[in-house]
Amino acid sequence: GENVEQHPSTLSVQEGDSAVIKCTYSDSASNYFPWYKQELGKGPQLIIDIRSNVGEKKDQRIAVTLNKTAKHFSLHITETQPEDSAVYFCAASIGNQFYFGTGTSLTVIP
Amino acid sequence: DAGVIQSPRHEVTEMGQEVTLRCKPISGHDYLFWYRQTMMRGLELLIYFNNNVPIDDSGMPEDRFSAKMPNASFSTLKIQPSEPRDSAVYFCASSLAFGWGYTFGSGTRLTVV
Repeated sequence: GENVEQHPSTLSVQEGDSAVIKCTYSDSASNYFPWYKQELGKGPQLIIDIRSNVGEKKDQRIAVTLNKTAKHFSLHITETQPEDSAVYFCAASIGNQFYFGTGTSLTVIP
Repeated sequence: DAGVIQSPRHEVTEMGQEVTLRCKPISGHDYLFWYRQTMMRGLELLIYFNNNVPIDDSGMPEDRFSAKMPNASFSTLKIQPSEPRDSAVYFCASSLAFGWGYTFGSGTRLTVV
């Protein structure tokens, strides 16, 4: 089955700086890569996603890049704000099954 | 739309008791998923349904776990008998179609003492 690895497990940045979270996957058949943000006491929320036929996607301060050859994808958050503090999960999808990374706890220091 | 609705939000029960978790998916979503989240194992898929039919239950840890979806707007996850190691946050999620991103509910935090 698919194996998704996510790094780092924790990340602290100063407000206004950028944050980058990286994931690798093992199965080249994976074709959909969503990112979720989970705030304390809440369920994960989809924040951005990318399909395998696209190399990059951007939505305001967040962007995702995908390198199919290397089988890795990354989440980029620019101009970080305290409300960006949360746990972020990447996932790789084969069909309708998602395989989640282990999460990155992001802290934005005011 | 109110999103995916789960109940209860918190459940504390004694070992050996039966526990039933409930989920109402987003109207029109054909897929429903049950996940369990723990610090040690992260998010684990337990079972998922398509059009009310269980498709893959290979993630259900033991026969003590069972899930049903009697209609398109309701699903239950039952644990009987419950054990302390079942303590976790259980999430329900639904999706519109094959290969689309999930919408998660707020979860049920289960504590078995």
